[in-house]
Amino acid sequence: ETGVTQTPRHLVMGMTNKKSLKCEQHLGHNAMYWYKQSAKKPLELMFVYSLEERVENNSVPSRFSPECPNSSHLFLHLHTLQPEDSALYLCASSQDQTNEQFFGPGTRLTVL
Amino acid sequence: LAKTTQPISMDSYEGQEVNITCSHNNIATNDYITWYQQFPSQGPRFIIQGYKTKVTNEVASLFIPADRKSSTLSLPRVSLSDTAVYYCLVGETNYGQNFVFGPGTRLSVLP
Repeated sequence: ETGVTQTPRHLVMGMTNKKSLKCEQHLGHNAMYWYKQSAKKPLELMFVYSLEERVENNSVPSRFSPECPNSSHLFLHLHTLQPEDSALYLCASSQDQTNEQFFGPGTRLTVL
Repeated sequence: LAKTTQPISMDSYEGQEVNITCSHNNIATNDYITWYQQFPSQGPRFIIQGYKTKVTNEVASLFIPADRKSSTLSLPRVSLSDTAVYYCLVGETNYGQNFVFGPGTRLSVLP
């Protein structure tokens, strides 16, 4: 248990669906992250939020839309995804300028 | 952005010490060296971080030579549960914008 929770743990969706992934951190951190991990590929940093402001968007397609309503919650809104978007989506948090990130268990997403 | 190179895989036996070396020839002055561990279908877990010389915690030791162009993660007396992928990352401590996970080293601990 890392103090970072993600829901749902598994999600299957069609290409025309709209869904959202939720992340919550109980650590009092002020930075949150979304990562994507495809099969047999390294983790890819997607978005970084610091103090609820987006500070990084690594050329992620617009069909992925992040939202950070407060420092404890992070969402990833999904719409019109492609089968190649199937992956493990990981959320992480950290405090201030540190490389020690705490990861959640991830959401296993399958796009049909 | 410093690039890291580490072995793709390693095998070891229970009770042995395991050393995983990471090369980062282009490391910058402000960069720290961080190691993570990841089990299948789980998020990575922070193991240790250092800037120079030696750092030790309850899980591992990190050895960094004076030129900082490489680092070695040392796991004492590994067990089957240490089977995982180990990632070496190099970057400034600035909210992880420069955090680039490579393929890591897949460590298999055998009985």
